[in-house]
Amino acid sequence: GAVVSQHPSRVICKSGTSVKIECRSLDFQATTMFWYRQFPKQSLMLMATSNEGSKATYEQGVEKDKFLINHASLTLSTLTVTSAHPEDSSFYICSARVAGITDTQYFGPGTRLTVL
Amino acid sequence: KQEVTQIPAALSVPEGENLVLNCSFTDSAIYNLQWFRQDPGKGLTSLLLIQSSQREQTSGRLNASLDKSSGRSTLYIAASQPGDSATYLCAVSQGGSEKLVFGKGTKLTVNP
Repeated sequence: GAVVSQHPSRVICKSGTSVKIECRSLDFQATTMFWYRQFPKQSLMLMATSNEGSKATYEQGVEKDKFLINHASLTLSTLTVTSAHPEDSSFYICSARVAGITDTQYFGPGTRLTVL
Repeated sequence: KQEVTQIPAALSVPEGENLVLNCSFTDSAIYNLQWFRQDPGKGLTSLLLIQSSQREQTSGRLNASLDKSSGRSTLYIAASQPGDSATYLCAVSQGGSEKLVFGKGTKLTVNP
């Protein structure tokens, strides 16, 4: 149980286009989902916390207008990278917290974004 | 601001060896500490979670210890196997927050 999926696993896009990444909790309801970014040989950095039915909370230094997060249901959150630039190329990972259980986050397999 | 450091950055050992991975954090007011495994190009798998009131947790060949006052944790892997090859990440959460702060990881290679 507690499986989180991400789609797509890899995406290559041209500079200036927008890319949407989906994060789904397959067998549980996730009231909270988290979006992380990981650059090569670097730590996972939390970008934003997404709560179902409300606006996401962004970490300092993360542009909310560039990284649009929508958490429309208890099983789906989306991250849209708008007007992507080569410096946005990274590994994006989501995690989901089981409703009512604060300790554990279940992580998705990640999405490799390459912006040309 | 919490900072998590993992030493060494990379480690290569022969199969069967026991090994220790280190994690340190600057703010001892943590809620819990977790060790994760990450395979290349993949997401994270939770290995062990230690609450701030606990000293250690064990799962199979893995044992994680926590010394909150000194800001340190270790992950002990017994009788290492090639399948243990991966990057091991340490992460802490602060009280009252669900946010995880990660270290950069230790890349472990176990040679057959």
